[in-house]
Amino acid sequence: QVQLVQSGAEVKKPGSSIRVSCRSSGGTFSSYTINWVKQAPGQGLEWVGGIIPKFGTTVYTKKFQGRAKISTDESTSTAYMELSSLRSEDTAVYYCARGRIEYQLLGWLDPWGQGTQVTVSS
Amino acid sequence: DIVMTQSPDSLAVSLGETATINCKSSQTILYRSNNENYLAWYQQKPGQPPKLLFYWASAREPGVPDRFSGSGSGTDFTLTISSLQAEDVAVYYCQQYYSIPLSFGQGTKLEIK
Repeated sequence: QVQLVQSGAEVKKPGSSIRVSCRSSGGTFSSYTINWVKQAPGQGLEWVGGIIPKFGTTVYTKKFQGRAKISTDESTSTAYMELSSLRSEDTAVYYCARGRIEYQLLGWLDPWGQGTQVTVSS
Repeated sequence: DIVMTQSPDSLAVSLGETATINCKSSQTILYRSNNENYLAWYQQKPGQPPKLLFYWASAREPGVPDRFSGSGSGTDFTLTISSLQAEDVAVYYCQQYYSIPLSFGQGTKLEIK
């Protein structure tokens, strides 16, 4: 059974960067997409982007293109999301979630990590 | 980009009754070559990550009670919860995976009347 465990909560200053990690266990890491989803306080779910670890193929939604960078370390089955030039609107819980169709960026998401609270405040 | 719109934004239903949540996509998410609708449903309880309920619009994830059902095709989809129980209180989201960027509906908050 695949499990995704994310890094802990962080508080960052505006203009700084953050890197959130997502470690996978219990299944094949390389062939399934890892996606990142943002949930701002009291708001819905917003897809940030995804990566197929085996190929390093990444896609991002336009809003985060240029500011988000998704990467993986296959040796530790860990995915990362870096977000730069942080602003208050980036305050949110960020989830990683695995795509369920092998080698496809398109797919439904399961399982999900527990979420990482990112707070941007001066 | 495909926009997903859910209705209603919130609803209150009595225990034992039926809750119906609608999801509409801005363009078809039915892929003709395999006749599959590229739609998933999730349930999110406070303080928890979303939990997958359905994929391919109506394929129930193992462990999801059969009181839950997913239906629809093309651009219009429905999540139905019959015999509502207290533990069904949550926010429900639909998600399309027909094209990038993946997109979610805004969510429907389900409460007990």
